[in-house]
Amino acid sequence: AQTVTQSQPEMSVQEAETVTLSCTYDTSESDYYLFWYKQPPSRQMILVIRQEAYKQQNATENRFSVNFQKAAKSFSLKISDSQLGDAAMYFCAYRGLNNNDMRFGAGTRLTVKP
Amino acid sequence: DTGVSQDPRHKITKRGQNVTFRCDPISEHNRLYWYRQTLGQGPEFLTYFQNEAQLEKSRLLSDRFSAERPKGSFSTLEIQRTEQGDSAMYLCASRPHRGATNEKLFFGSGTQLSVL
Repeated sequence: AQTVTQSQPEMSVQEAETVTLSCTYDTSESDYYLFWYKQPPSRQMILVIRQEAYKQQNATENRFSVNFQKAAKSFSLKISDSQLGDAAMYFCAYRGLNNNDMRFGAGTRLTVKP
Repeated sequence: DTGVSQDPRHKITKRGQNVTFRCDPISEHNRLYWYRQTLGQGPEFLTYFQNEAQLEKSRLLSDRFSAERPKGSFSTLEIQRTEQGDSAMYLCASRPHRGATNEKLFFGSGTQLSVL
C-alpha cells in the first residue's frame, strides 16, 4: 500500500525567507501523481503544486517549487520569499495513475514570522 | 463556479443519533470524493463516486456509514448510531473527468462533526 510521510510536524520561517517542507512516499508503481495541498484556518484544501512522476523536470508555480527525486521517493516543497499568507497546514499527497483515492501525509504546520 | 459547498459547516450531536451531511460539487465535475480528517492528521479516503455510481469504498467506511449520489450531482453522507470516534471533519472533493484540471481535487470547507 502506498504511504506518504511528512517528518516535520511543524516548521517556521521568517517572512521573505525560504523554507523547505519534506515529504517521502512509498510505492511500487512507476506512474503516479504527487501533490502539495495547503489548508489554511478556513479549512479549505487548496492545491499548491502538482508533479507527474513521468516528468523529470521539477514543477514550479511562482514562489513554490518542488524537488522531485523519483529514485529516492522524495518530493519536497520549497517556498521562496515567504509571506504571512503562506501560514497554513501543508499536506503532501500521492495518487496512483489508475487509482481514485489520494493518500495524504499527516501534514506540516508552517508558521511565518513577521 | 461557486466551488464545492458542504452543509452544515458544524454539527454537534449526541452519541447514538444519526447525522447526514450534504456536498454539492462543482457542476461539471462527475467525480466526487468523501474524506475524513481528524485533528493532526491528513485526510483519509472514505469513498468515491463517478456520476451516480459508488465505485470505491474504504475499509474505514463501516456499515454505519452510507453515501449516496442519486442523480450524479449532490451527494449525502449519513452516519447512523454515531460514536465519539466519529468526531472529525468530513471533507468532500470533486474533479472533472477530463481537462486541464483533471488531476486536481477541488475541496469543500468540510463539515466538522462533534459527537458528545
